[in-house]
Amino acid sequence: GENVEQHPSTLSVQEGDSAVIKCTYSDSASNYFPWYKQELGKRPQLIIDIRSNVGEKKDQRIAVTLNKTAKHFSLHITETQPEDSAVYFCAASIVGAQKLVFGQGTRLTINP
Amino acid sequence: DGGITQSPKYLFRKEGQNVTLSCEQNLNHDAMYWYRQDPGQGLRLIYYSQIVNDFQKGDIAEGYSVSREKKESFPLTVTSAQKNPTAFYLCASSTQQGGEKLFFGSGTQLSVL
Repeated sequence: GENVEQHPSTLSVQEGDSAVIKCTYSDSASNYFPWYKQELGKRPQLIIDIRSNVGEKKDQRIAVTLNKTAKHFSLHITETQPEDSAVYFCAASIVGAQKLVFGQGTRLTINP
Repeated sequence: DGGITQSPKYLFRKEGQNVTLSCEQNLNHDAMYWYRQDPGQGLRLIYYSQIVNDFQKGDIAEGYSVSREKKESFPLTVTSAQKNPTAFYLCASSTQQGGEKLFFGSGTQLSVL
């Protein structure tokens, strides 16, 4: 079955700098890749997703890139702010297969 | 915070006891899911249901059971067979049949006394 590896497990950056979180997946049939953000004590929320027919997607300060050949995808956050501090999860699935497999999570801390 | 509600927020289980976690949604979503969250291990799928009266095992179903008698409700029972039940349990729902765009509840923290 699908396996998703996420790195790093913790990341600390200065406010205003960029942050990058990377994930690799094992099943070449996977074609949907969402990213969830979980603030302390709150529920995970979808922040951006990408399908395999697209190489990059942007939404304001966040972007996701996908390399199907290498089977990896990344989350990029620019001009980081204190409210970006949270745990971020990547995930992968095959559309229609019901099973979304998550990475282990990255705890991002933005230092003022 | 409406949409998908989990209760209780905290739950304690004694040895040999079964406990049930509640999950209710008013989003009219067809699909519902239960995930277990342990530190450093991400979210692991326990059970999921696409329609009423039907559900499938996820990756870590042993020691758990579910029912889906109503579209709005998907309770999870942690049985005495689950030897390491301490974890944060998250319920989610989705409109899409493929498990995309999950909406999560606020979770239940289960601990063993």
